[in-house]
Amino acid sequence: EPEVTQTPSHQVTQMGQEVILRCVPISNHLYFYWYRQILGQKVEFLVSFYNNEISEKSEIFDDQFSVERPDGSNFTLKIRSTKLEDSAMYFCASSEGPNQPQHFGDGTRLSIL
Amino acid sequence: DQQVKQNSPSLSVQEGRISILNCDYTNSMFDYFLWYKKYPAEGPTFLISISSIKDKNEDGRFTVFLNKSAKHLSLHIVPSQPGDSAVYFCAASEDHTDKLIFGTGTRLQVFP
Repeated sequence: EPEVTQTPSHQVTQMGQEVILRCVPISNHLYFYWYRQILGQKVEFLVSFYNNEISEKSEIFDDQFSVERPDGSNFTLKIRSTKLEDSAMYFCASSEGPNQPQHFGDGTRLSIL
Repeated sequence: DQQVKQNSPSLSVQEGRISILNCDYTNSMFDYFLWYKKYPAEGPTFLISISSIKDKNEDGRFTVFLNKSAKHLSLHIVPSQPGDSAVYFCAASEDHTDKLIFGTGTRLQVFP
């Protein structure tokens, strides 16, 4: 069964450094998402992306965050200058279309020191 | 943000019996609802969804019921199996957005 893959599974970064989280969505999906889950808290929406542009973003997704689809298969989340509070599990998801189930990757655990 | 609530943090059920997981929501604009299962160190796995025009959707052992007037949905698993032991999340979205709002999850344990 096709799946969303994320790399790396664990990323440790010094505060203030840039980090790029990578995702390969399911190949025939057109809608892409990033969510995060801080330890002990709910899964929270960050951003949705369709047709090479952001379609929606949350208040968490400030100027330090950006997303990109650099080629036909990858979808990346960049955090420009990481803060301690960015430590979380980051999940990528994709779907065939609006109001279709979103399928999630296994996440990247981001630890900021 | 308490738009989606799962008031039971845990549930323990004997193998072969029915598991019923509950979810309440406050936003009347939600029109699409999903259930996900999550094992440790994995991402949420989609189980079943329902749109607000229906009140029931069934897929094998999984059935989701939606009561719009009560703003309540439930997931029934029959019969429960030990492999169903996981954390179950409900999620919802409004018509004009794909942003999923998640509940806090219910940990289901199915014992032999």
